[in-house]
Amino acid sequence: NAGVTQTPKFQVLKTGQSMTLQCAQDMNHNSMYWYRQDPGMGLRLIYYSASEGTTDKGEVPNGYNVSRLNKREFSLRLESAAPSQTSVYFCASSGVAGYEQYFGPGTRLTVT
Amino acid sequence: AQSVTQLDSQVPVFEEAPVELRCNYSSSVSVYLFWYVQYPNQGLQLLLKYLSGSTLVKGINGFEAEFNKSQTSFHLRKPSVHISDTAEYFCAVRNAGGTSYGKLTFGQGTILTVHP
Repeated sequence: NAGVTQTPKFQVLKTGQSMTLQCAQDMNHNSMYWYRQDPGMGLRLIYYSASEGTTDKGEVPNGYNVSRLNKREFSLRLESAAPSQTSVYFCASSGVAGYEQYFGPGTRLTVT
Repeated sequence: AQSVTQLDSQVPVFEEAPVELRCNYSSSVSVYLFWYVQYPNQGLQLLLKYLSGSTLVKGINGFEAEFNKSQTSFHLRKPSVHISDTAEYFCAVRNAGGTSYGKLTFGQGTILTVHP
């Protein structure tokens, strides 16, 4: 039982490049979330998916897109990376009650 | 809209001393409250949660927190800390009902450093 997995762990991009961050969960959870973590700002919600087939914007969606590929997988895409997107990205999931979220290990992204 | 304020960005403490990490929230509706811990270079792990019932909740690793509705606070405490408690701690809140889909609002984090 791996919980929430994320790939890659580290990534360096040049400004303007694109990439997709992958997330998968094996807990049969309905809801999945993408956050970014920046020093002194806590975690901020980028996008979430309440259930398979639905996605919605969070607090900081600009510059990102998401896909809920199936119940297990939720990917985050940066179409044209900018230095302001340098951050640590976390994926999380929660069950029907949504009482608590389970987090992946994170992806550390640097955009130069 | 909800907000969470963690009143201390850094808390240094000596091993075996007690510690309190402070969290205040703002919300116009009933809430659920959470504390998460993040060890260096890791994801977040749930320490404890308040959903309803007793206002004193106990979590893992000897931590506890008290929900105070009148003061809109949810402070985290431990009577005696260990070196291994050194980590960043996040307070989070979500709507207790409605269609929030479990969305959490996080505080800015408090870095707890335990010195020998």
